[in-house]
Amino acid sequence: AQKVTQAQTEISVVEKEDVTLDCVYETRDTTYYLFWYKQPPSGELVFLIRRNSFDEQNEISGRYSWNFQKSTSSFNFTITASQVVDSAVYFCALDRPGTASKLTFGTGTRLQVTL
Amino acid sequence: DTAVSQTPKYLVTQMGNDKSIKCEQNLGHDTMYWYKQDSKKFLKIMFSYNNKELIINETVPNRFSPKSPDKAHLNLHINSLELGDSAVYFCASSHGAEGYGYTFGSGTRLTVV
Repeated sequence: AQKVTQAQTEISVVEKEDVTLDCVYETRDTTYYLFWYKQPPSGELVFLIRRNSFDEQNEISGRYSWNFQKSTSSFNFTITASQVVDSAVYFCALDRPGTASKLTFGTGTRLQVTL
Repeated sequence: DTAVSQTPKYLVTQMGNDKSIKCEQNLGHDTMYWYKQDSKKFLKIMFSYNNKELIINETVPNRFSPKSPDKAHLNLHINSLELGDSAVYFCASSHGAEGYGYTFGSGTRLTVV
């Protein structure tokens, strides 16, 4: 069975602080895919990143960076110099390959960025 | 030119009624999904269809019946609505077995009163 754990329920930071959102996953598959989604107060799910299990390179996209560590089954997400617009619920998700593909989501981390 | 569109965006209805939510994608994806987000924000898959064929049915009550007339559409019909069905329902689509291009619709907030 697949499982995603986001232990941080809620995080509050002041603008310009760096913040890391943790994600730990469990799977028996050797090939799998990891995702991060952002859900702002407006409610839509915004895709941030997809990473396959064979690509352990860290990725940076502007103020966002992701650290994938297979050894600890973690896929953490860091926002550098946070901004108020980063306030949202962030979901980590795990997918298996094949026609039975489905996203297994973590419970989400609510990030509140204040001035 | 919305990629995954679902209608309606909001739905308020009484217990016992039957309602449908429609979903259409114009991305050429071959797999479509319904996810449910409960009041605690927990997201869970309900169904997936691949080329109009039901692939995943995650122990959803029989009152929920998905219908896929073609691979660009996946509708969700709910019979005898209950208070516990109140949630946000998201349609999504993806391409191929590796889940490329997972794209979500903007969600339908269903409130049963």
